[in-house]
Amino acid sequence: KQEVTQIPAALSVPEGENLVLNCSFTDSAIYNLQWFRQDPGKGLTSLLLIQSSQREQTSGRLNASLDKSSGRSTLYIAASQPGDSATYLCAAWTFQGGSEKLVFGKGTKLTVNP
Amino acid sequence: SQTIHQWPATLVQPVGSPLSLECTVEGTSNPNLYWYRQAAGRGLQLLFYSVGIGQISSEVPQNLSASRPQDRQFILSSKKLLLSDSGFYLCAWSGTEIVSDTQYFGPGTRLTVL
Repeated sequence: KQEVTQIPAALSVPEGENLVLNCSFTDSAIYNLQWFRQDPGKGLTSLLLIQSSQREQTSGRLNASLDKSSGRSTLYIAASQPGDSATYLCAAWTFQGGSEKLVFGKGTKLTVNP
Repeated sequence: SQTIHQWPATLVQPVGSPLSLECTVEGTSNPNLYWYRQAAGRGLQLLFYSVGIGQISSEVPQNLSASRPQDRQFILSSKKLLLSDSGFYLCAWSGTEIVSDTQYFGPGTRLTVL
């Protein structure tokens, strides 16, 4: 059974710092891995999707990497801003229980202090 | 462009009362539809998904049910709510042309059962 873990659970950094959020998954047979952002009391916003054949994806100040063999993904945020404060969730598309589904981690709550 | 709506935004219900949450998608046809629940301190849990009208798959045994009466409408229901049904309910959709495509989430419904 696929399990997705995100460490740390919470992170607080000063504005302008570069940071890395970590995600690990137990079953390397994934279709892709996605990173989402969730603001308090809101739905999820898709940030990046990395296909299983890819090693990284970039969007603006965000860069996500994927290492299937080690079961790890990282989300790199460059030059962090207070507006980046949110909970970041990673999710692995996995074939489980007879169907494909997204298995989510519990998220990392990021606070960027001005 | 595609949009996804959920209502109500918040709901407070007594134990034992019925429930009906609605989700609609605009700007796409024949989407895959999903219901998730996000409880405090836990990751997103997939409750139901649907690949077409009248086709519902349940992921977790519970006192909730789902229906898809129209192509772009997904309803989550309960006959008698439990305290443990409290949480943040998210509806999502994805395309069907590409397996394991990005999921797009609605704004969510905050349900409190008292």
